[in-house]
Amino acid sequence: GDSVTQMEGPVTLSEEAFLTINCTYTATGYPSLFWYVQYPGEGLQLLLKATKADDKGSNKGFEATYRKETTSFHLEKGSVQVSDSAVYFCALSDVPDYGNNRLAFGKGNQVVVIP
Amino acid sequence: EAGVVQSPRYKIIEKKQPVAFWCNPISGHNTLYWYLQNLGQGPELLIRYENEEAVDDSQLPKDRFSAERLKGVDSTLKIQPAELGDSAVYLCASSSGQGAIAGGDEQFFGPGTRLTVL
Repeated sequence: GDSVTQMEGPVTLSEEAFLTINCTYTATGYPSLFWYVQYPGEGLQLLLKATKADDKGSNKGFEATYRKETTSFHLEKGSVQVSDSAVYFCALSDVPDYGNNRLAFGKGNQVVVIP
Repeated sequence: EAGVVQSPRYKIIEKKQPVAFWCNPISGHNTLYWYLQNLGQGPELLIRYENEEAVDDSQLPKDRFSAERLKGVDSTLKIQPAELGDSAVYLCASSSGQGAIAGGDEQFFGPGTRLTVL
């Protein structure tokens, strides 16, 4: 079945450092790819998305490019802030043939930004 | 615009007791989802509703879990009886259902209910 794999372990880095969180996927069809963010005490929020190969999603300084050849959707930000501390989830939704909109999530990565 | 509302935010019960979670989706959203999120894991879909119809409940453990969405708006998820392994966060999400064909329309999540079974 469709699945998403995120890099293991939390990520701790200093303010203004470069952030990369790796995400790879397995899907039988042509999935849409998403990054969700969960701030402490809040629900998941959509951060960005890409619906086809070579699309780049971007929001709040974060970017991710849909790479079909490497089945990847890595999240990057050039200069993180303390306020970016959160849990980040990669997810996919296979293109529905009858309206199914099930999201498959990765395990998430805790990001801690130190001042 | 109000987001997805869930209650309670926290619930502690003893095993074998029943428990219920409530969700009010964003106004006008036809599609409602219940997800289970275990500690250190991503959310997993339990059930999806299109209006009042459960269209995907293949992951719902039907021996102890049940859900309903009367009138196609609010929804309730119930566990009876609860087991120790049910301790987790239960998330509700909703979407408009307008763009499902174009790669999936955005799902908006509530803050979740954290269940602890003792």
